[in-house]
Amino acid sequence: KAGVTQTPRYLIKTRGQQVTLSCSPISGHRSVSWYQQTPGQGLQFLFEYFSETQRNKGNFPGRFSGRQFSNSRSEMNVSTLELGDSALYLCASSSGTQANQPQHFGDGTRLSIL
Amino acid sequence: QKEVEQNSGPLSVPEGAIASLNCTYSDRGSQSFFWYRQYSGKSPELIMFIYSNGDKEDGRFTAQLNKASQYVSLLIRDSQPSDSATYLCAVNGRGSTLGRLYFGRGTQLTVWP
Repeated sequence: KAGVTQTPRYLIKTRGQQVTLSCSPISGHRSVSWYQQTPGQGLQFLFEYFSETQRNKGNFPGRFSGRQFSNSRSEMNVSTLELGDSALYLCASSSGTQANQPQHFGDGTRLSIL
Repeated sequence: QKEVEQNSGPLSVPEGAIASLNCTYSDRGSQSFFWYRQYSGKSPELIMFIYSNGDKEDGRFTAQLNKASQYVSLLIRDSQPSDSATYLCAVNGRGSTLGRLYFGRGTQLTVWP
């Protein structure tokens, strides 16, 4: 069974640009969550989607947004990039039928802002 | 704001020893607890989850949960150099935040031959 797939693996952008990251969950999983990992803040929750609806949202500015498609694939968008957005962005999926089920992470997208 | 605290480490044990990793959480009502292993430069990998008080064993790993003390631990028996990694404790939210994981900062474990 294929795991969570994130693309691209690496991205380099400049301040002010926007970026879109993609996540394909494990087959059959309907919940997709996004996290940001930095050395200073650790792993921080961005948002969770289930059946195309945002079910949870973390404490990030509105520049961070996401969506989920009918096939459970998800995208995350960050607009007006700032230097502090440099991080590893992780997507995790779970079956989602019960919201507390284990989440499995993809390899992540490493975003660098110049 | 939920808090998940872990021994900052680093923790260093010899090969074959038992490594003990500890985690405390602030929300007494938390129900679901997870341990992830993260190798340097890699993403977190789920290794254990536990929902009920007591012990849960899976191979060389044992998760222990004590909800009254708001404490969850991970024991690694017969530690191997390949166990050297950062171990992250995570706790689910409750109610409307049930699908959200709150992470500790991780404990770095080194197993030396």
